[in-house]
Amino acid sequence: NAGVMQNPRHLVRRRGQEARLRCSPMKGHSHVYWYRQLPEEGLKFMVYLQKENIIDESGMPKERFSAEFPKEGPSILRIQQVVRGDSAAYFCASSPNPFYEQYFGPGTRLTVT
Amino acid sequence: GDSVTQMEGPVTLSEEAFLTINCTYTATGYPSLFWYVQYPGEGLQLLLKATKADDKGSNKGFEATYRKETTSFHLEKGSVQVSDSAVYFCALSEDNNAGNMLTFGGGTRLMVKP
Repeated sequence: NAGVMQNPRHLVRRRGQEARLRCSPMKGHSHVYWYRQLPEEGLKFMVYLQKENIIDESGMPKERFSAEFPKEGPSILRIQQVVRGDSAAYFCASSPNPFYEQYFGPGTRLTVT
Repeated sequence: GDSVTQMEGPVTLSEEAFLTINCTYTATGYPSLFWYVQYPGEGLQLLLKATKADDKGSNKGFEATYRKETTSFHLEKGSVQVSDSAVYFCALSEDNNAGNMLTFGGGTRLMVKP
């Protein structure tokens, strides 16, 4: 059973461009969480999704950020008009249900130049 | 809101030394508590967990006890190895389950020298 997969592993964008980060959960997992890790800091919760539904987006900035988890395909975290402050590692985690531990992917390291 | 505070690093130890990384938390309910480890360039791996007061989580020689009276979950290992060098994160999840969002501490970098 493959683990949580994220791609790309590294992404470089210029200010003002869009960034799309993908997360494929483990097989059988329908719950996905996104976290952001700023340099030298801990992880901060952004959004929690189930298939086709956003359950909790309380940690996601209101502007420029959006997330989806369609019926088919990976979960996508989209950042429009990136700024230097968006540079961070973005981690995805999945679980088979909300009462089970989360399994983390290797992360996508976004650099905004 | 919930929060987790852990000792700042880096913590530098010689091989076979005793390790303690302090972690305290603030929560409104009865959280589950976790320690995650992050090796360079990788994602987080669950190291151990405890779901109720006085539970002891243990794995790979590491252990931590859920202390409700002191709201703490300190990580310990009796004899560290070079391969234990990593960043360690303390975290909690409310509602006494493992699935809801995790609140993390700032992380503690451990460096073990041969």
